[in-house]
Amino acid sequence: QSALTQPPSASGSPGQSVTISCTGTSSDVGGYNYVSWYQQHPGKAPKLMIYEVSKRPSGVPDRFSGSKSGNTASLTVSGLQAEDEADYYCSSYAASNRYVFGTGTKVTV
Amino acid sequence: EVQLVESGGGLVQPGGSLRLSCAASGFIFRTYWMFWVRQAPGKGLVWVSHIKNDGSYTYYADSVKGRFTISRDNAKNTLYLQMNSLQAEDTAVYYCARGGLPNSYDYWGQGTLVTVSS
Repeated sequence: QSALTQPPSASGSPGQSVTISCTGTSSDVGGYNYVSWYQQHPGKAPKLMIYEVSKRPSGVPDRFSGSKSGNTASLTVSGLQAEDEADYYCSSYAASNRYVFGTGTKVTV
Repeated sequence: EVQLVESGGGLVQPGGSLRLSCAASGFIFRTYWMFWVRQAPGKGLVWVSHIKNDGSYTYYADSVKGRFTISRDNAKNTLYLQMNSLQAEDTAVYYCARGGLPNSYDYWGQGTLVTVSS
């Protein structure tokens, strides 16, 4: 199972928006509405930001939103803040009870 | 408060074995699927294995199948990962995570570092 493809980096100024893509195949991202997104600060454990493509867990700011079109999912961070600077990973269910993560994107504010 | 605390990592020689543990608290452990995810130094996250809430089903990434065994003790609120025939490529921080929301990992431990080297 190959990792999902994400851009290595993305950046934006405070207050701006940034969108990160996550490209897979019809066997993972395109086949299921089970894409999730994780934020990871250096030396810390990942934190769930989005699940089931576009749902936000309790406590996650509504500045974070998710969507999907075909085999590509996207995470948008609006109103960028300094604390949003982190690595972001997508993940998808990939059939037969397997899961796959994306390659990760470093967001710079 | 949900807490997941991994332990058991360390330095091991190639071909050696190690057992990781993940102590869970703050939630009804026996009702949740649980996962192991690893991250090699400077690299991305990789799903390793997961186990059904009652332990009746287990699943593995191809890279660890036949070498790693996931298990759980619901009476002790503890998740395990037995790792055998360890290779240099298994060097990583290993995280346990709870499958609390559909097909996602809603709580993570702080991770335990496994280093495979001679």
